[in-house]
Amino acid sequence: DAKTTQPNSMESNEEEPVHLPCNHSTISGTDYIHWYRQLPSQGPEYVIHGLTSNVNNRMASLAIAEDRKSSTLILHRATLRDAAVYYCILLTQGGSEKLVFGKGTKLTVNP
Amino acid sequence: KAGVTQTPRYLIKTRGQQVTLSCSPISGHRSVSWYQQTPGQGLQFLFEYFSETQRNKGNFPGRFSGRQFSNSRSEMNVSTLELGDSALYLCASSLDAHGRNEKLFFGSGTQLSVL
Repeated sequence: DAKTTQPNSMESNEEEPVHLPCNHSTISGTDYIHWYRQLPSQGPEYVIHGLTSNVNNRMASLAIAEDRKSSTLILHRATLRDAAVYYCILLTQGGSEKLVFGKGTKLTVNP
Repeated sequence: KAGVTQTPRYLIKTRGQQVTLSCSPISGHRSVSWYQQTPGQGLQFLFEYFSETQRNKGNFPGRFSGRQFSNSRSEMNVSTLELGDSALYLCASSLDAHGRNEKLFFGSGTQLSVL
């Protein structure tokens, strides 16, 4: 199964941008890159996903490297509510048996 | 639009008992999947149901089973509970069968404690 590697933890200050990296060197050409986050005592929440091009939505931006071996989730202005564990996941053809959540990155946002 | 609803929110059982957890997906969503989350193993996929049929199954023993009803609501059953089954059980729904371009919407989970 395609796997992802993320730092265990990161810290940011409120209102500053945050760049959360993810390495996926074994990604195949048809794998989608998804990001979810999990706030304390809640289920995971969809953030963003993409295939090749950079993507933007109201929550974040996803920057995908040209060779697709890495990607970066960008929170443009971190707030205290963004403190969560962020998961980078590859969705491979075949369905959710391939939906493997790693340990994720725990983001701490300082006031 | 109401989100994914899981009941009950908390459950305490003893070893050997069985338990049934319920999940109501977002209205119009036809796919429901279940996950187990523990501090040690993280989030692990249990199974996915689409149109009342199990599409995929994770690597869990046969004590874990599920079903989906015609209204897309789903139940998960764990028989002969073991201490190691203590976990947060999460349900997720999506509009269509889970695929690479599909978003998942998760409920808040059922926290199961086995004593």
